[in-house]
Amino acid sequence: GDSVTQMEGPVTLSEEACLTINCTYTATGYPSLFWYVQYPGEGLQLLLKATKADDKGSNKGFEATYRKETTSFHLEKGSVQVSDSAVYFCALSGATGGFKTIFGAGTRLFVKA
Amino acid sequence: NAGVTQTPKFQVLKTGQSMTLQCAQDMNHEYMSWYRQDPGMGLRLIHYSVGAGITDQGEVPNGYNVSRSTTEDFPLRLLSAAPSQTSVYFCASSYSLRGSSTDTQYFGPGTRLTVL
Repeated sequence: GDSVTQMEGPVTLSEEACLTINCTYTATGYPSLFWYVQYPGEGLQLLLKATKADDKGSNKGFEATYRKETTSFHLEKGSVQVSDSAVYFCALSGATGGFKTIFGAGTRLFVKA
Repeated sequence: NAGVTQTPKFQVLKTGQSMTLQCAQDMNHEYMSWYRQDPGMGLRLIHYSVGAGITDQGEVPNGYNVSRSTTEDFPLRLLSAAPSQTSVYFCASSYSLRGSSTDTQYFGPGTRLTVL
């Protein structure tokens, strides 16, 4: 079945360091890919998304490119801030024309001042 | 727009008790879903609905019931609470075009449930 695998955390970085959180997926069909972020005590919110191969999603300095050949959607940011500390979830949906969204296990990011 | 609202925010139950977690959205979204979030396991889909009067099971439906009598509301019922149902529960909604990929999901703030 469809699945999402993302790197285990926690990831601890100093402010202004570069961030990469790896995400790979298994799916039939042509899914849309998402990164959601969850700040402490809150629900998830969309960070960025890409709906077809080679699309790049971007928001708040974060980027991810839909790579069909490597079935990946890695999240990157060139310079993290303390306010980026959160849990990041990679997700896919619509793989077989259905309505379900499949989430990865989440990666917790800590950014130190 | 209030978005997706959930009540209560916190709840403590004893084993065997029943309760309903409320979820409402004011965005006229067709698709609504319930997830539970457990440490190290991400979000797991409990039940979902693609419109009023239509519900279906997700990955972990046992012990939970849902109904969708209106577009706005999608309550989740725990029939007989068990300690294994201790979790954080999230409701989400999205505008979905039938037959197309699911659009962005909007999440509520969550309900933290403890079953003793």
